[in-house]
Amino acid sequence: GAVVSQHPSWVICKSGTSVKIECRSLDFQATTMFWYRQFPKQSLMLMATSNEGSKATYEQGVEKDKFLINHASLTLSTLTVTSAHPEDSSFYICSAGGGQGAFGYTFGSGTRLTVV
Amino acid sequence: GEDVEQSLFLSVREGDSSVINCTYTDSSSTYLYWYKQEPGAGLQLLTYIFSNMDMKQDQRLTVLLNKKDKHLSLRIADTQTGDSAIYFCAESRQAGTALIFGKGTTLSVSS
Repeated sequence: GAVVSQHPSWVICKSGTSVKIECRSLDFQATTMFWYRQFPKQSLMLMATSNEGSKATYEQGVEKDKFLINHASLTLSTLTVTSAHPEDSSFYICSAGGGQGAFGYTFGSGTRLTVV
Repeated sequence: GEDVEQSLFLSVREGDSSVINCTYTDSSSTYLYWYKQEPGAGLQLLTYIFSNMDMKQDQRLTVLLNKKDKHLSLRIADTQTGDSAIYFCAESRQAGTALIFGKGTTLSVSS
């Protein structure tokens, strides 16, 4: 079946640095990628939707200059957390697809970001 | 409202049945999903149901859908300790848009 490879699975970084998270679709083309954020014991909150070759659409309250999303190819989307701060510590998950049918969504395994 | 609602906690004994409930908001939702998340892990798709179905069974899992009340439930028969996890229901409101998730139900199974 369709697989989305997300890495790193966990990362610890210092405040002020930037971190890039990658999601690659294996064996299929992901024209759309959704990026979610999950705080401990909470639900997945949609951050942004990106379509290959165009600018991402951010949800209300999500800073586009802080969370840079690039979807330059049909198999790769990246989320860069710029100038990270401890409050950015969270679990980030990507989801490819959104197409027709029940299996239109394929999730990555998530990235645990800890900013110290 | 706009939210997908779930009860937050459920505690059962091993061997019992678990029923996790969810209410969703958009009557035009096409598919409804149940995902499982174990600690520190990503999401595992457990099962899904198309909106024109009332029930779907898949081994120990039974999904019931009441479209009139916008109510979805997941029943896990013969619950095992390995079923302890957070269960999310999610709705697909429109093709090409993101899934909308509930807050998740933490299932605790005691032996």
